[in-house]
Amino acid sequence: GQNIDQPTEMTATEGAIVQINCTYQTSGFNGLFWYQQHAGEAPTFLSYNVLDGLEEKGRFSSFLSRSKGYSYLLLKELQMKDSASYLCAVRDSNYQLIWGAGTKLIIKP
Amino acid sequence: NAGVTQTPKFRVLKTGQSMTLLCAQDMNHEYMYWYRQDPGMGLRLIHYSVGEGTTAKGEVPDGYNVSRLKKQNFLLGLESAAPSQTSVYFCASSFSGGAGSETQYFGPGTRLLVL
Repeated sequence: GQNIDQPTEMTATEGAIVQINCTYQTSGFNGLFWYQQHAGEAPTFLSYNVLDGLEEKGRFSSFLSRSKGYSYLLLKELQMKDSASYLCAVRDSNYQLIWGAGTKLIIKP
Repeated sequence: NAGVTQTPKFRVLKTGQSMTLLCAQDMNHEYMYWYRQDPGMGLRLIHYSVGEGTTAKGEVPDGYNVSRLKKQNFLLGLESAAPSQTSVYFCASSFSGGAGSETQYFGPGTRLLVL
């Protein structure tokens, strides 16, 4: 079966750095996505990785290791508005997105 | 440019009632999707469409039907609602089926409670 694992919840302090991990086992791999979802709102796209390595976009970076079935999302200089759920999704061999349950990130002042 | 819109935003149904959720997009996207999101679970694909007049089953299609009569609209129907269908329903769209970094754009969601 297909499976994506993320921690359920994480807590971090404003101004700090946090790393959210995602491990996956899917039938095929055609890219990995990270989405942000604020409570009661729609998911919005954050980042995309298809090759191994680090993709940086401002305060957010995403890393991928295909051989290990592993990705992480790194958030720097945390702000209160970063309090949200972060969803990891893998595009499988059928080009469908398989979603993790999401990691709820709580930012404390 | 409204993006992806969904109606209604919230609905309460009694078991056995029927309803239709409407999704509309103004981005000229070919692909449209219906997901449900439940606590502790990832988004699950119900049905999707690769173009006007086409539909296909996703991971959890039972109890739902869909139609894509116009390119910009994707309807999700519940013929006889059950409490297990209490969920948040998200519609999404994308230009194509997922080439490269192409992403899906989501609507604001419909919160459905079945009593």
